[in-house]
Amino acid sequence: SQQGEEDPQALSIQEGENATMNCSYKTSINNLQWYRQNSGRGLVHLILIRSNEREKHSGRLRVTLDTSKKSSSLLITASRAADTASYFCATSSGGSNYKLTFGKGTLLTVNP
Amino acid sequence: NAGVTQTPKFQVLKTGQSMTLQCAQDMNHEYMSWYRQDPGMGLRLIHYSVGAGITDQGEVPNGYNVSRSTTEDFPLRLLSAAPSQTSVYFCASSYVGPNQPQHFGDGTRLSIL
Repeated sequence: SQQGEEDPQALSIQEGENATMNCSYKTSINNLQWYRQNSGRGLVHLILIRSNEREKHSGRLRVTLDTSKKSSSLLITASRAADTASYFCATSSGGSNYKLTFGKGTLLTVNP
Repeated sequence: NAGVTQTPKFQVLKTGQSMTLQCAQDMNHEYMSWYRQDPGMGLRLIHYSVGAGITDQGEVPNGYNVSRSTTEDFPLRLLSAAPSQTSVYFCASSYVGPNQPQHFGDGTRLSIL
């Protein structure tokens, strides 16, 4: 069963705009990770946020985590056409410590 | 470093055939895993391994076997291919487990006729 669920399923914006994607999950987690997947390629790790962290930054990426709401958001600022990709959240939980569970992803299209 | 290498990149099989998808990593990672990605389903865990000689089932293990005789290699075997196994298969690895960033291969696109 899917642990994380991304929202929206698809997002289309113009270059320079900000893109926000959300992830909700069902059970308590150890950490939450975000990945990017370009068409026809494997997933690339973007950022990991631990359950005791609330916000994390990496370049143009900002991730927040609200464990009380069991949700996370990924913000990409000043988007570029090269940011066009699918974005996935993934969680590891204490009950299944050796398994990483992915959501279904958000397809982001950045129009030049 | 080559990272995670998956072979073949594409494969077409007939129903009932068997084959092995290869996955190799050169980063000395203990944890390796196999996922399948289907449209609208995201990635689903098939099998994983926490080290040489140790494997366990994931969410969708039926129809697949794995073994881990070395740290570097984690092959996935389809015993008797079925059309429902048409998918894109990804191998991933990390140093010790899912609580760390995973390194993914570029996938094997498999079609079962």
